Amino acid sequence: AQSVTQLGSHVSVSEGALVLLRCNYSSSVPPYLFWYVQYPNQGLQLLLKYTSAATLVKGINGFEAEFKKSETSFHLTKPSAHMSDAAEYFCAVSRNSGNTPLVFGKGTRLSVIA
Amino acid sequence: ETGVTQSPTHLIKTRGQQVTLRCSSQSGHNTVSWYQQALGQGPQFIFQYYREEENGRGNFPPRFSGLQFPNYSSELNVNALELDDSALYLCASSVWQGVSPLHFGNGTRLTVT
Repeated sequence: AQSVTQLGSHVSVSEGALVLLRCNYSSSVPPYLFWYVQYPNQGLQLLLKYTSAATLVKGINGFEAEFKKSETSFHLTKPSAHMSDAAEYFCAVSRNSGNTPLVFGKGTRLSVIA
Repeated sequence: ETGVTQSPTHLIKTRGQQVTLRCSSQSGHNTVSWYQQALGQGPQFIFQYYREEENGRGNFPPRFSGLQFPNYSSELNVNALELDDSALYLCASSVWQGVSPLHFGNGTRLTVT
């Protein structure tokens, strides 16, 4: 069985500060890992995905994530927060990079303070 | 390229009623998945359709059912609505066995009173 734990349901940072959203996974097979962002009243938009090609994954909007097998982690970072980054972020795990069901974490709400 | 579209955007139903939600897949996609997102939670997988057949189901009772049509659009039907069915229902399309990730629609917000 696969599962995802997102540490911190709400993270607040100042504009220009480092963003760090934590995600730990559990998987009995090599995982495929994803970060999605959800803006109010919208669906999910893919930020980035890990598919075993490289442990450091760069995504859209300046976000990146590092896969650490020894720590079973896939934390999301951005060097400098922007007001437009305020949203809900979801980490998800899957058995492949395509269309097998995603197992999502409960999400982390990111607030950016001016 | 047309993205995933869902209708209606909002819906209010009474407990015990039935509801049908609709989804049009992104152009070129042949697989549709449905997810339920309760308030304050991450999305949960309901089921997936490929070649008009259910291909994988999450932990949801049989009163949740679906259809996929030859044009790859899809419906989610929920019978005997319960208060706990109130949620955002997300449709996602993809290519079967492809390497591209899921593309999500904006969802249908269902409220059961």
